[in-house]
Order: sequence, then structure tokens, then C-alpha cells
Amino acid sequence: EAGVAQSPRYKIIEKRQSVAFWCNPISGHATLYWYQQILGQGPKLLIQFQNNGVVDDSQLPKDRFSAERLKGVDSTLKIQPAKLEDSAVYLCASTPTSGSTDTQYFGPGTRLTVL
Amino acid sequence: AQSVTQLGSHVSVSEGALVLLRCNYSSSVPPYLFWYVQYPNQGLQLLLKYTTGATLVKGINGFEAEFKKSETSFHLTKPSAHMSDAAEYFCAVSDDSNYQLIWGAGTKLIIKP
Repeated sequence: EAGVAQSPRYKIIEKRQSVAFWCNPISGHATLYWYQQILGQGPKLLIQFQNNGVVDDSQLPKDRFSAERLKGVDSTLKIQPAKLEDSAVYLCASTPTSGSTDTQYFGPGTRLTVL
Repeated sequence: AQSVTQLGSHVSVSEGALVLLRCNYSSSVPPYLFWYVQYPNQGLQLLLKYTTGATLVKGINGFEAEFKKSETSFHLTKPSAHMSDAAEYFCAVSDDSNYQLIWGAGTKLIIKP
């Protein structure tokens, strides 16, 4: 079974530029999460999707961050415009629809550096 | 609100020595508890989890953890450290309402030869 795919793996941009990250969860996983992990900290949930609907986006800075999961499969997270403090690893995770629904499976992450 | 505290941002042990990584949580309801491991430049991988039943949980790579409700702890142990165990370890807690995870800050495990 293929794991959670993310791209790109690394991205370097100037502040005020835009950037987008892509995630393809494990096939059949209905729930998808985006996390921000700043160096030296645990992951912070940005947004949770159930199929193509948003379950929780209370910690998403909506003035600059947006995310979508239009067909309930893959998802895109965008930052526009980026700030220096957005430098972090952005992790995508998904959970199965049945069985171990409490277990999140993570992709390798996208490391963003904002200069 | 739930919270997770991991004692020690860095833990250093000699190869072959006991590994003990500490995790304490606060939760108003019976929690689900998790340990994840993160190797350099990789995503997080589930080591083990406690949901219900036996309080001593065995995971991958020889790790185990014990849920102690009275101490609100879920410490991770391994009898004998190996060089390949060098990584960052995260403790997390959730309730069963939405399975959202509240994460600790992580503990970097350093293995000395």
C-alpha cells in the first residue's frame, strides 16, 4: 500500500511570495490533516478535512493560508503572502475510514524556508 | 483542555543502555495515547498506541510504554538502546470524539557509542 505522498519536499521562497503544497493521502482514507511543524516543536494542526468538507480550521491563519480538497482525495495548502515565521515543515496525514481510525499516517513533509 | 508535557528536549544514552522518555498528559476524559518517532527529514511514524485494555503496550523496534492513569503518564522505554534509535520522539493524546492529536514538544534521543 502506497503511503501519504507530498510534494515538493523542499521549497525556498522570498517573503511575500506565494507557495503551494500538495498532498495525496493513502487510498480510501477519508480524513486528511495538514500540520505545521516549527523546528523544535511538535506539530500544530492547521486544518482537518473529512472527505471534501472542513471539520476544523480554527488554527489556520486564514488571512494568508488556504486549503482545499475539492474531490475528497488529494489536497493543496497555499500560503499567500509568505512571512519569515512561516518557515517550517508542513506535514500531511490521513486516517483510515475503518479499522485503526485513531491512527494518523504521515507523509514525509515539505520543508519551507522563507528568506 | 488537553495538554502533553515531555520532560527533556534532549536525552542522551549509551548504546545498550535503557531508554526512558517521559510523557505526562492532562485530559478530562479517558485518553488515547500515542508515541510517534521522526527520523531526520522524514515524516512521523507510529511507534505504539494505547486506546483501551492492557496498560502495557508493546510497539515496533522493541519499544513499549505503560499507561498509568494515577500518574497521568505514558512513558516510553526500551531495554537496550541501538544506534538506529537516534531520532525525535513525540507523545500525543486525543479523545475519541474527533481523533485530533495534541502533541508534546518532542524529545530528541541521542545514542552515544
